Amino acid sequence: AAGVIQSPRHLIKEKRETATLKCYPIPRHDTVYWYQQGPGQDPQFLISFYEKMQSDKGSIPDRFSAQQFSDYHSELNMSSLELGDSALYFCASSGSEHFRVQNTEAFFGQGTRLTVV
Amino acid sequence: DAKTTQPPSMDCAEGRAANLPCNHSTISGNEYVYWYRQIHSQGPQYIIHGLKNNETNEMASLIITEDRKSSTLILPHATLRDTAVYYCIVNTGGFKTIFGAGTRLFVKA
Repeated sequence: AAGVIQSPRHLIKEKRETATLKCYPIPRHDTVYWYQQGPGQDPQFLISFYEKMQSDKGSIPDRFSAQQFSDYHSELNMSSLELGDSALYFCASSGSEHFRVQNTEAFFGQGTRLTVV
Repeated sequence: DAKTTQPPSMDCAEGRAANLPCNHSTISGNEYVYWYRQIHSQGPQYIIHGLKNNETNEMASLIITEDRKSSTLILPHATLRDTAVYYCIVNTGGFKTIFGAGTRLFVKA
């Protein structure tokens, strides 16, 4: 079965550079969530989208922005990168028919490991 | 969203049942209990969820107390590949829910 695809899997950037992470949800899923997981930390919710509109917002820095496109894929744009942005970034998706209904689950991608040097 | 409390770590012998507890004493009536696990640096993996009835699937069983203030995830025959961090999450929908500290399960041969 198709899973959530994230690209790239690994990314190395220098301080103050920009980075773009991509997420392709499971087919027919139109809700996407982004999480950040620092070394030794638990996943922290950043932002989510439903039908191309932002639906929830967590601890996403102002330097970051995200959007969901007409094909439901999503991109997380990160500017003015800092050393502390080094982390695993996970994307998850869930089905629209269950959006904001409790009885559903999210499926996670394998993540993008961003290293800022 | 309700907060959850889980033990930081547990050991289990391979082939034995692993019982992972979770306290969620402030859970409200419309909040589901979800369990996910994360094997080292991989994406979190959905395991099971429930509202008030016990649930079972091919991976695990979920036992929720009658007052819904706690639950137990049961892996009936733990294998070495079940070594992971297990997260108990309660929420009303959507996934802005905070992943708590979770339980680090070590399955030993």
